[in-house]
Amino acid sequence: DTAVSQTPKYLVTQMGNDKSIKCEQNLGHDTMYWYKQDSKKFLKIMFSYNNKELIINETVPNRFSPKSPDKAHLNLHINSLELGDSAVYFCASSQGSGGAGEQFFGPGTRLTVL
Amino acid sequence: AQSVAQPEDQVNVAEGNPLTVKCTYSVSGNPYLFWYVQYPNRGLQFLLKYITGDNLVKGSYGFEAEFNKSQTSFHLKKPSALVSDSALYFCAVRDGGSSYKLIFGSGTRLLVRP
Repeated sequence: DTAVSQTPKYLVTQMGNDKSIKCEQNLGHDTMYWYKQDSKKFLKIMFSYNNKELIINETVPNRFSPKSPDKAHLNLHINSLELGDSAVYFCASSQGSGGAGEQFFGPGTRLTVL
Repeated sequence: AQSVAQPEDQVNVAEGNPLTVKCTYSVSGNPYLFWYVQYPNRGLQFLLKYITGDNLVKGSYGFEAEFNKSQTSFHLKKPSALVSDSALYFCAVRDGGSSYKLIFGSGTRLLVRP
């Protein structure tokens, strides 16, 4: 199936741990994104890569570091996890310049920090 | 600053009746406007977009939206609601300063009762 996939779907961990979330898209898109959705369902962009180049880097703690090994993959590594990091993290991808292309979202990773 | 507002946290409608979910925006330059839907425990799904052209845009699942430049609005509509339309709906606008950054509204929960 063509889609945006994320692993893991659920992640439960202790404060202070380091964890990674992986994202892959097989849509042939050139741009990928990470979003955070909080408990009130508010959705905020964190990072975006276009052809492996970082193009959006919002005000996010340095503990969050994205990595794009190729156009089809965008991973998110989080160091020293805190309670406030608990949220659902969505990966998305799009194609086309100028922001006209719609974004396709993955199923989300629910991170719970205890 | 770019922004998008969804003034209603929840919209209730009876099955078979028309529905409207409201969205207003504020951007510099020409807006690119999007509607997404999120079903429980799922990622966002693209419904429709306005880039240019006809002010009435038709999208997936029988939804449409009307772009109104003078009122800076992009309301989502459907002539006859289905119970299966019950979900969380997000309006989004492209940030005029960044081609790839989408600013999302706070979301409107649509509840269609049988």
